[in-house]
Amino acid sequence: DIQMTQSPSSLSASVGDRVTIACQASQDISNYLSWYQQKPGKAPKLLIYGASNLETGVPSRFTGSGSGTDFIFIISSLQPEDIASYYCQQYDNLPLTFGGGTKVEMK
Amino acid sequence: QVHLVESGGGLVKPGGSLRLSCAASGFTFSDYYMSWIRQAPGKGLEWVSYISSSGLNIHYVDSVKGRFTISRDNAKNSLYLQMNSLRAEDTAVYYCARVGHCGDDCTKFDYWGQGTLVTVSS
Repeated sequence: DIQMTQSPSSLSASVGDRVTIACQASQDISNYLSWYQQKPGKAPKLLIYGASNLETGVPSRFTGSGSGTDFIFIISSLQPEDIASYYCQQYDNLPLTFGGGTKVEMK
Repeated sequence: QVHLVESGGGLVKPGGSLRLSCAASGFTFSDYYMSWIRQAPGKGLEWVSYISSSGLNIHYVDSVKGRFTISRDNAKNSLYLQMNSLRAEDTAVYYCARVGHCGDDCTKFDYWGQGTLVTVSS
């Protein structure tokens, strides 16, 4: 199975800050990576697929990059509504696997 | 708009069975792969299973193989998960999710239901 390792597991930031989350795959997954946002008590929401493709309707302050084993997710200017957990997910191989998540809190 | 509504969760004893349903609306259900994904309390996300649009292509995570069965009824716009021999570690919120169209090698979960809680406890 492909292991997805996210870092950090949690972070605290202020409104307007740039937030960066890393995701590392245990083997090459090309660009077969998605990012999801999950607010407390809610279902996850797709933000990015194909490592860097923004899902329709998602604000442009969210970006993704990377290929192979190393990926980055950035919120360019943190907004109060971005407080959530974020998960990466690979779809290169079965079983589909998620990272452990990064909880973003407001400072 | 796309709408997915899960039902069928509840409290069940270890070794028991439960059948989850997911009612889909707002899109042509028969055109899309569908999936089940779960989340144990306070934990991360775990993919459980997916089924192709025709129902002929099915895959499971190893931990549920032989115990869970995914199926669909395209005439009823419904997805199902039959869960047998349930264990405490199957306790989770179970989400159904649509696999969006983004190319042959793309598996993006573009719409999710609100989830249904399954609790396995004596």
